[in-house]
Amino acid sequence: QKEVEQNSGPLSVPEGAIASLNCTYSDRGSQSFFWYRQYSGKSPELIMSIYSNGDKEDGRFTAQLNKASQYVSLLIRDSQPSDSATYLCAVNRGFGNEKLTFGTGTRLTIIP
Amino acid sequence: DGGITQSPKYLFRKEGQNVTLSCEQNLNHDAMYWYRQDPGQGLRLIYYSQIVNDFQKGDIAEGYSVSREKKESFPLTVTSAQKNPTAFYLCASSNSISGNTIYFGEGSWLTVV
Repeated sequence: QKEVEQNSGPLSVPEGAIASLNCTYSDRGSQSFFWYRQYSGKSPELIMSIYSNGDKEDGRFTAQLNKASQYVSLLIRDSQPSDSATYLCAVNRGFGNEKLTFGTGTRLTIIP
Repeated sequence: DGGITQSPKYLFRKEGQNVTLSCEQNLNHDAMYWYRQDPGQGLRLIYYSQIVNDFQKGDIAEGYSVSREKKESFPLTVTSAQKNPTAFYLCASSNSISGNTIYFGEGSWLTVV
């Protein structure tokens, strides 16, 4: 089992709809969780971080964390073509960044 | 502007050659990192440094070397011992090693020809 698993996609969502991206992780001791967006050929940029169970909202983005079920998700409301990218889930297995583990990413395509 | 600058953006290397990728940050961050990304793969940690003159191996350090002589700079050398060096290399930094958010430079594409 991979430490951080994501569906590679591609995930196609109509413009204006909600895009739902999921990530599961294997280490129950994981402390912090991040979503990065990566456009093709570019570096990842941080979208959301979440540290405790529940929802965290930032504009059109909502991160959801369920430590008991070991999953973290990202919802994108009112999807725009500019949201088309690969979304990387990253999980920190401890208190040091050297333990940050990335998933392979989910490729999201927003269809106009 | 504050940020992380990587150079060169594109680099071609002949087999058997060493190449050095530059990474400079003006964010006053203590910790710096080098990651490698292969197509369809997640990021893998090569080396990281918490303070000047100290660095640690990550998950895939073989065939790579680094130095940290200045807080702002963390160059990565890809040696001839690295068997599959063609990849996208990402430098990153954070305020500290202790869980603070990591921010990335724009990346360097290395191709072996």
